[in-house]
Amino acid sequence: QQQVKQSPQSLIVQKGGISIINCAYENTAFDYFPWYQQFPGKGPALLIAIRPDVSEKKEGRFTISFNKSAKQFSLHIMDSQPGDSATYFCAASIERGSTLGRLYFGRGTQLTVWP
Amino acid sequence: EAQVTQNPRYLITVTGKKLTVTCSQNMNHEYMSWYRQDPGLGLRQIYYSMNVEVTDKGDVPEGYKVSRKEKRNFPLILESPSPNQTSLYFCASRRDRGSQSGANVLTFGAGSRLTVL
Repeated sequence: QQQVKQSPQSLIVQKGGISIINCAYENTAFDYFPWYQQFPGKGPALLIAIRPDVSEKKEGRFTISFNKSAKQFSLHIMDSQPGDSATYFCAASIERGSTLGRLYFGRGTQLTVWP
Repeated sequence: EAQVTQNPRYLITVTGKKLTVTCSQNMNHEYMSWYRQDPGLGLRQIYYSMNVEVTDKGDVPEGYKVSRKEKRNFPLILESPSPNQTSLYFCASRRDRGSQSGANVLTFGAGSRLTVL
């Protein structure tokens, strides 16, 4: 059973446009929602993360929007650049308690930004 | 430099020939994990280890073995590789325990692309 569902599988955006990737989850115990970015030939790396006590987190051109009642969160990339072309993974986990939970990953979105 | 190192980066082998993919981290992380990445299926966890001598199955453990004899190393063993194990493999680690904010951050290696003929 897929814990985190991610869409779309691929996305093509023109330079300067807004890229939006969506994720949904079922387990209301999740309390940590990171996004990982993966460039070709590299391993994924943490891009930005949010906790459910806030509805939005912004770091530069990257923003996570979080809707707790809908159990959805999304990544917005403003003014998308060709250098943003990568695969993006959303994830979720449980952080509270004595042991950190495992990260459940979405299936990834391959973003291509055309110049 | 803090990193996770995997070897080999690329490997072509034949069905049934045992192989080992090594993984080493220099961050003194307790937790280590192996993933495979396949088109349309994302990152699927194979095995993980919470600490030395403690390993457990992930979502797709069939056909794989692991060991954790030392904190820094977590090799992935394919005893009898088959073509359906052709994939891109990633090792990752993180520190544990984290009530501290941002503790649940995985550091990934660069990946090992395996082809089984």
